[in-house]
Amino acid sequence: DQQVKQNSPSLSVQEGRISILNCDYTNSMFDYFLWYKKYPAEGPTFLISISSIKDKNEDGRFTVFLNKSAKHLSLHIVPSQPGDSAVYFCAASGDTGNQFYFGTGTSLTVIP
Amino acid sequence: NAGVTQTPKFRVLKTGQSMTLLCAQDMNHEYMYWYRQDPGMGLRLIHYSVGEGTTAKGEVPDGYNVSRLKKQNFLLGLESAAPSQTSVYFCASSYTRQTAYGYTFGSGTRLTVV
Repeated sequence: DQQVKQNSPSLSVQEGRISILNCDYTNSMFDYFLWYKKYPAEGPTFLISISSIKDKNEDGRFTVFLNKSAKHLSLHIVPSQPGDSAVYFCAASGDTGNQFYFGTGTSLTVIP
Repeated sequence: NAGVTQTPKFRVLKTGQSMTLLCAQDMNHEYMYWYRQDPGMGLRLIHYSVGEGTTAKGEVPDGYNVSRLKKQNFLLGLESAAPSQTSVYFCASSYTRQTAYGYTFGSGTRLTVV
C-alpha cells in the first residue's frame, strides 16, 4: 500500500505562473520530507527538504509547505520556467526507519 | 566529477540469466541504496547498506542479492532473472540516513528481461 501518494500524474502551467504540486502521506510517524526533480534518462536530483518541526521551507523559486494535521505537503514553484519541466517526486521518512518512501511522481510541463 | 556511477546503463537479459549491476560512489558516503522504478509505482527500495560489509532488505528484496565489500561500491545481483524484474534501477548514496540534502542518485540502469 502506497504510504506516499501523488494523485496528479501530470500538470501543465504557463511560463511565469505558479506551479503547485501536491503530495499526501498516510504514516503519522513520517517526520522528514524531500522533493526530487527528474529529467528523462537521468537520476532524480534533490530539490528541497522540510522536517516536521517546520511548516514552510524556501529556496529561491521553490517553497515547500507541510500541513502535518492533514498529512499533506505541497511544492510551489514561482515563477515557473520551461526548464522546470520534469517529473517531481516527493519522499518521506520516519525517525526509526532506514528508507525514504517515494510517491509515484507528477510530470510538470511548463508551456512557454 | 564526484557522484554516483552505475554500470551498465542498458541491458537485455533472457529469463533465467544472471547479472550484476555495479554502483560506485566517490563521496565517501556511508549509506547506499538500490531502488527500482516502475510505471505508476514510484521508486521502491530493494536493498540498502549502512556501511561497508553491511546490507539490509528494503520493500521489495525478493529475487535480488547485494554486497558491499568496499565502502565505495554497492553491487546488486539477479541470480535468475524474471520478466517481472524488467525495470529501471537506480543506485543512491548519502552521508547520513536523514539528510537535509537528500540522496545522490546515479543515472539509472534500464533492464529488460525477455
